[in-house]
Amino acid sequence: GEDVEQSLFLSVREGDSSVINCTYTDSSSTYLYWYKQEPGAGLQLLTYIFSNMDMKQDQRLTVLLNKKDKHLSLRIADTQTGDSAIYFCAENFVFGPGTRLSVLP
Amino acid sequence: GAVVSQHPSWVICKSGTSVKIECRSLDFQATTMFWYRQFPKQSLMLMATSNEGSKATYEQGVEKDKFLINHASLTLSTLTVTSAHPEDSSFYICSARSIGQYNEQFFGPGTRLTVL
Repeated sequence: GEDVEQSLFLSVREGDSSVINCTYTDSSSTYLYWYKQEPGAGLQLLTYIFSNMDMKQDQRLTVLLNKKDKHLSLRIADTQTGDSAIYFCAENFVFGPGTRLSVLP
Repeated sequence: GAVVSQHPSWVICKSGTSVKIECRSLDFQATTMFWYRQFPKQSLMLMATSNEGSKATYEQGVEKDKFLINHASLTLSTLTVTSAHPEDSSFYICSARSIGQYNEQFFGPGTRLTVL
């Protein structure tokens, strides 16, 4: 079946860039998504990328897609303490386990 | 725009009772709503997909008689956990999909169910 994998933890210093990686198995996905979940809050769609794109930039967020390797990454530039959250990669309705991003002062 | 609410936000019930969770799209019409379950420190697991006016489609391993889903209108879906047991304790999240170019899902804040 479909599977999405992510590293579980990432720590960065405030002001640095964060890169969260994700691998997936279903090559038929039309869109791939990044969601953010803050403590006590619902999931928020951060960004998405269409499968025929290699890169998408949205303010501090950059999404890179390598279809050949089925690898997706989310880069957050100038990471702030408010970016501390769990980030989920998803293809359709299959979610990765989430990467807990901790931003250190 | 695109706000999805859930009610209640948390509920504690006794084993054997039934609990109903509501999911509403507040400012858009959602032809499809999704119900997820999230265990502590784990990812979301899709339980079922409900389309307005038709029976829900359940994912493999999800008991349809245990988790009753009703999508009565374009803005409301309900999930009823019947005869709840402690192992049903979890965080239940709904999402709603609007008709859009990229089939974006809008998520509710979730309902934490604790069964004693």
